[in-house]
Amino acid sequence: EAGVVQSPRYKIIEKKQPVAFWCNPISGHNTLYWYRQNLGQGPELLIRYENEEAVDDSQLPKDRFSAERLKGVDSTLKIQPAELGDSAVYLCASSPRQGGTDTQYFGPGTRLTVL
Amino acid sequence: AQSVTQPDIHITVSEGASLELRCNYSYGATPYLFWYVQSPGQGLQLLLKYFSGDTLVQGIKGFEAEFKRSQSSFNLRKPSVHWSDAAEYFCAVGDNQAGTALIFGKGTTLSVSS
Repeated sequence: EAGVVQSPRYKIIEKKQPVAFWCNPISGHNTLYWYRQNLGQGPELLIRYENEEAVDDSQLPKDRFSAERLKGVDSTLKIQPAELGDSAVYLCASSPRQGGTDTQYFGPGTRLTVL
Repeated sequence: AQSVTQPDIHITVSEGASLELRCNYSYGATPYLFWYVQSPGQGLQLLLKYFSGDTLVQGIKGFEAEFKRSQSSFNLRKPSVHWSDAAEYFCAVGDNQAGTALIFGKGTTLSVSS
């Protein structure tokens, strides 16, 4: 079974530029998460999807961050414009069950560096 | 509010020695508990999880963890550490109600000396 796929693995951009990250969850997984992991910290949730619906986006900085999950499968997370403080690893995870806590499977992450 | 504390930022263990990584959580109901490992440049890999039942859970790579409700702890153990175990370890807590995200601790970095 293929795991969670993310691309790109690394991205370096200048501040104020836009950037997008892509995630393909494990096949059949209804729930998709985007986490941000700052250096020396644990991951923190940005947004959670149940199928195509964003059910928890309370921690997403909506002035510059946006996300979508078309057809309840792949997801894209966008930052526009990027700031220096956005440098972090962006992790995508998926879990099979809709509703309730279930095991989350993580992708390798995208390491973003904003110069 | 839910929270997870990993008191040890960095631990060094000799190869072949035993290991215990500490995790304390704050949660109002019965938590779901997880340990993940992250190698440099990699995503998080699940080591083990506790949802209910036997409080001693076995995971992959020879790891185990014990849930102690009275101490709000979920410590990770391994009887004999291998050099390949050097990585960052994260404890996480989840809500057993309808879907919330995991709350992670700040992680413990494990170094293995020869």
